[in-house]
Amino acid sequence: SYDLTQPPSVSVSPGQTARISCSGDNLGDRSAYWYQQKPGQSPVVVIYQDAKRPSGIPERFSGSNSGNTATLTISGTQAMDEADYYCQAWDSETVIFGGGTKLTVL
Amino acid sequence: QVQLVQSGAEVKKPGASVKVSCKTSGYTFAPYDIYTSYDINWVRQAPGQGLEWMGWMNPTSSNTGSAQKFQGRVTMTRDTSISTAYMELSSLTSEDTAVYYCARAARGRTPGKTVDYSYHFDYWGQGALVTVSS
Repeated sequence: SYDLTQPPSVSVSPGQTARISCSGDNLGDRSAYWYQQKPGQSPVVVIYQDAKRPSGIPERFSGSNSGNTATLTISGTQAMDEADYYCQAWDSETVIFGGGTKLTVL
Repeated sequence: QVQLVQSGAEVKKPGASVKVSCKTSGYTFAPYDIYTSYDINWVRQAPGQGLEWMGWMNPTSSNTGSAQKFQGRVTMTRDTSISTAYMELSSLTSEDTAVYYCARAARGRTPGKTVDYSYHFDYWGQGALVTVSS
């Protein structure tokens, strides 16, 4: 089975750049997606097809995917960005989620 | 605007089944052309845990697919007359206690990728808490 690995937690100071990684075997050969989930809320897609932002998602969110690693980058991180972030990929007619990363803005 | 509205919280005994509904609006739930249809997926989240994909259903064809872990225990159906999808999970145990989400899947192609199929969730329901307790 295909697995995606994320760091359990990432910390960043307000205004700094946060980077959250997602690793999988040749992940760059397929599209990667990122979801933000705040406590008590449903997930929201923030990046799809590696680097595309849905309408309404701030420009400070960006993504890249190459080799074995996809990265979600949040530039000028704000307190409101504190949340859990999940990467996702598609493999052999199944959806795979990473374990999630808790982003703390302190 | 697209909306997915799920049924309410449920409390079930071990060994029972639960059926969660997901009423959609704001788009064509089951168009004649399958290539323009959106799958409905089910994702669950145990307390304090991550997201776990359960399976998908295409409302036009009624075809389904599920994670190996749930095969034989999950049934996904739909009622096109009311634009609603359903997920039924049987033989419940305490480990099935979770929030169950439905999510609409946007499909596409990403030229240049070895795996060029694109599949992600653009709209989610609000979640339905299912508690399994004796």
